[in-house]
Amino acid sequence: AQSVTQLGSHVSVSEGALVLLRCNYSSSVPPYLFWYVQYPNQGLQLLLKYTTGATLVKGINGFEAEFKKSETSFHLTKPSAHMSDAAEYFCAVSVGFSGGYNKLIFGAGTRLAVHP
Amino acid sequence: SAVISQKPSRDICQRGTSLTIQCQVDSQVTMMFWYRQQPGQSLTLIATANQGSEATYESGFVIDKFPISRPNLTFSTLTVSNMSPEDSSIYLCSVRITDTQYFGPGTRLTVL
Repeated sequence: AQSVTQLGSHVSVSEGALVLLRCNYSSSVPPYLFWYVQYPNQGLQLLLKYTTGATLVKGINGFEAEFKKSETSFHLTKPSAHMSDAAEYFCAVSVGFSGGYNKLIFGAGTRLAVHP
Repeated sequence: SAVISQKPSRDICQRGTSLTIQCQVDSQVTMMFWYRQQPGQSLTLIATANQGSEATYESGFVIDKFPISRPNLTFSTLTVSNMSPEDSSIYLCSVRITDTQYFGPGTRLTVL
């Protein structure tokens, strides 16, 4: 069965500092991996996704993530944090879509705080 | 992607009553999903709703408590029945387009 572990329920960084949000997954077959962001009182917005191909994927708002199969990780990074990045971030995994569809499994989420 | 709207955006309800949440999509989609996000928690899938077939419920969720309709390819409703304070959550609908799920803004429900 697939599962997702996000290390650190709360992460705090200074404005301009590197953002690193950790995500490890468990899957018996090649996974599809996603990062979503949830701003206060809003729904989820897709930041980026990995399906196949290049393991370094770039998303919106300057975020990127690297799929590392050997480490079963899909960590999210941004070189320089902005105050507007303060939000809840969710990592999710789903197994391939050919034929049947497997549900999206979410991690517990990481709340990112950015301070001046 | 898709533009997804939900009604109502929030509501406060009394114990024992029911609330129906609407989800509208700006394009035709086969697969729609309903999720629950309890306070301070992650998302949990309630059910998958495909047009023309009965909804498929996840473990721990039953049709009598969360009946779902899917009358066409752009619309779905989720009813939260006989509510209790434990049902206070954000309810989100989502749609699958190719290999990605897109989410609506959510309905914030408080049950007193």
